Amino acid sequence: NFMLTQPHSVSESPGKTVTISCTRSSGRIASNYVQWYQQRPGSAPTSVIYGDKERPSGVPGRFSGSIDSSSNSASLTISGLKSEDEADYYCQSYDGSTLVFGGGTRLTVL
Amino acid sequence: QVQLQESGPGLVKPSQTLSLTCTVSGGSISTNAGYYWSWIRQHPGKGLEWIGYIYYSGDTYYSPSLKSLVTISVDTSKNQFSLNLNSVTAADTAVYYCARVSYDSFGYYVDYWGHGTLVTVSS
Repeated sequence: NFMLTQPHSVSESPGKTVTISCTRSSGRIASNYVQWYQQRPGSAPTSVIYGDKERPSGVPGRFSGSIDSSSNSASLTISGLKSEDEADYYCQSYDGSTLVFGGGTRLTVL
Repeated sequence: QVQLQESGPGLVKPSQTLSLTCTVSGGSISTNAGYYWSWIRQHPGKGLEWIGYIYYSGDTYYSPSLKSLVTISVDTSKNQFSLNLNSVTAADTAVYYCARVSYDSFGYYVDYWGHGTLVTVSS
């Protein structure tokens, strides 16, 4: 099994762009799709990216996903930051039929 | 729009069995459209931990770290699926989410979540 490692926290100012990384410990990041979830305090997670870079209906275009084989990582980029983006973000992939979650990143919009 | 709702005791004594049920509405569990019915938990202030999931046929897949203690079952007549976690300890105190996991050309991803239910293990 592999692990997904995320930074514990990131912070940025409103209107700016922030990128959250998710590094796979073994095996190629491109081998299995990566998804991203947003979790606001006291709420269940919701999907913001699936299939590495696809946005579910209703998710603003400010959210984008990508993978980088050179660093074996996936990234979630949020542009034009708004205060409502302040939340925890989790990456997720899978190993065979088992789900693997990253440890989560707390995004603070200063 | 699929909706999921967890139900069950909010307090369980140590060494007992934690039992939760998830009721699905707005869609049938008995579909072979590539949906897996899952349990995911979140310890207080911590990240998400996948527990396992079940296919409508009854095929189950569990987290290796919990496999010996977990049973997930499905009742298609009630459109429900359930979680049993045996021999609980305080470390099993968490918010438990039921969720639908889709499997398609984009792999496995959670597309619907329940609201979550807090289960506390304490005597």
